[in-house]
Amino acid sequence: SQQGEEDPQALSIQEGENATMNCSYKTSINNLQWYRQNSGRGLVHLILIRSNEREKHSGRLRVTLDTSKKSSSLLITASRAADTASYFCATVYHTGNQFYFGTGTSLTVIP
Amino acid sequence: DVKVTQSSRYLVKRTGEKVFLECVQDMDHENMFWYRQDPGLGLRLIYFSYDVKMKEKGDIPEGYSVSREKKERFSLILESASTNQTSMYLCASSYSRLPYEQYFGPGTRLTVT
Repeated sequence: SQQGEEDPQALSIQEGENATMNCSYKTSINNLQWYRQNSGRGLVHLILIRSNEREKHSGRLRVTLDTSKKSSSLLITASRAADTASYFCATVYHTGNQFYFGTGTSLTVIP
Repeated sequence: DVKVTQSSRYLVKRTGEKVFLECVQDMDHENMFWYRQDPGLGLRLIYFSYDVKMKEKGDIPEGYSVSREKKERFSLILESASTNQTSMYLCASSYSRLPYEQYFGPGTRLTVT
């Protein structure tokens, strides 16, 4: 399977703390994307990082990509209760146009 | 804003029934996808379509078929529903060029009894 793997599976933090989740993948990618899913809803695109980029920021989100280790991390700074959701990485490969989603990290931010 | 809509949020069907799940997108996207999502298994691709009347099997096509007669509409069909098809079904769409960012519908939670 080319599915990405996320770590940890579940994360519980206090409001105001930072949350870090990781994604590992198996073969060379074109880009990696992070999505968020609120309970019982569809996924929403958060941020995309291309294979030639090492870091990207969007508001309180920071994504890094290490192609030598085939891994990415998503950092959410100053977390809020509203950040409670599941977060998925999706890898997009050079061949074909299929996505491969990881199994997700469930984040709980305690007020 | 891109909008992907799915015909039902919740659906309850009986074993053996034929089930239609419909998805419509308004962004003129070439690609459309059907996933199912189960706890601990993440999202698994059932079928995708890259053009009208074109379809490709994903990772778990068994027990499902699809139809794409118009660019904006992609239907998932369960020919004879079974209890192991109880799941959350998610539709998504994207342009047919990199980076292939996907836009998702709200999901249909299907229960087969």
